[in-house]
Amino acid sequence: QQQVKQSPQSLIVQKGGISIINCAYENTAFDYFPWYQQFPGKGPALLIAIRPDVSEKKEGRFTISFNKSAKQFSLHIMDSQPGDSATYFCAASMGSGGYQKVTFGIGTKLQVIP
Amino acid sequence: DARVTQTPRHKVTEMGQEVTMRCQPILGHNTVFWYRQTMMQGLELLAYFRNRAPLDDSGMPKDRFSAEMPDATLATLKIQPSEPRDSAVYFCASAWRGGIKYNEQFFGPGTRLTVL
Repeated sequence: QQQVKQSPQSLIVQKGGISIINCAYENTAFDYFPWYQQFPGKGPALLIAIRPDVSEKKEGRFTISFNKSAKQFSLHIMDSQPGDSATYFCAASMGSGGYQKVTFGIGTKLQVIP
Repeated sequence: DARVTQTPRHKVTEMGQEVTMRCQPILGHNTVFWYRQTMMQGLELLAYFRNRAPLDDSGMPKDRFSAEMPDATLATLKIQPSEPRDSAVYFCASAWRGGIKYNEQFFGPGTRLTVL
């Protein structure tokens, strides 16, 4: 049972375009939503994160939009570049047994073509 | 340049053999995570340690997997006996956590395990 549903699983975008990755969750106990970026042969690295009391967070070309009532959040990559080609994971975190337990989405493989 | 290191980076073994994966967390970090990544399941949490004590290993098959932290600079994940379905990339991550608040996890480069 996937607690964090992510789509699409793969995405091809032209250079300069907008990449959009969507995630949905069911458990309202989640209280932190990070996005991780993973390049081939590397481990995931934190890209950007948001708390549910904020509807949007922007860092450079990366923006998270958060809809608490719909239990959905998305990552937008503006002016996508070939260097953004990677796998992106959304995640949701909540306190459990004294620590923050993180549940990851299945991942989206993004390819930005010149 | 602080980073999580993992060894070996690649491991090919035969079914039934013991496999040991090692992780050196970032110096000063007090929490260590083990994850398994597959195409079908994505990233799954296997075990979590804080201050070297296991807090959650509910994601780990208990009959064949074991995780330990012999000291603050070494975490190990063992599979005995290994099976083809264990083939995956295993990641170690570390973080500093002073309480329940979320802190960024820093991932190692992973160990790609192939069990024939």
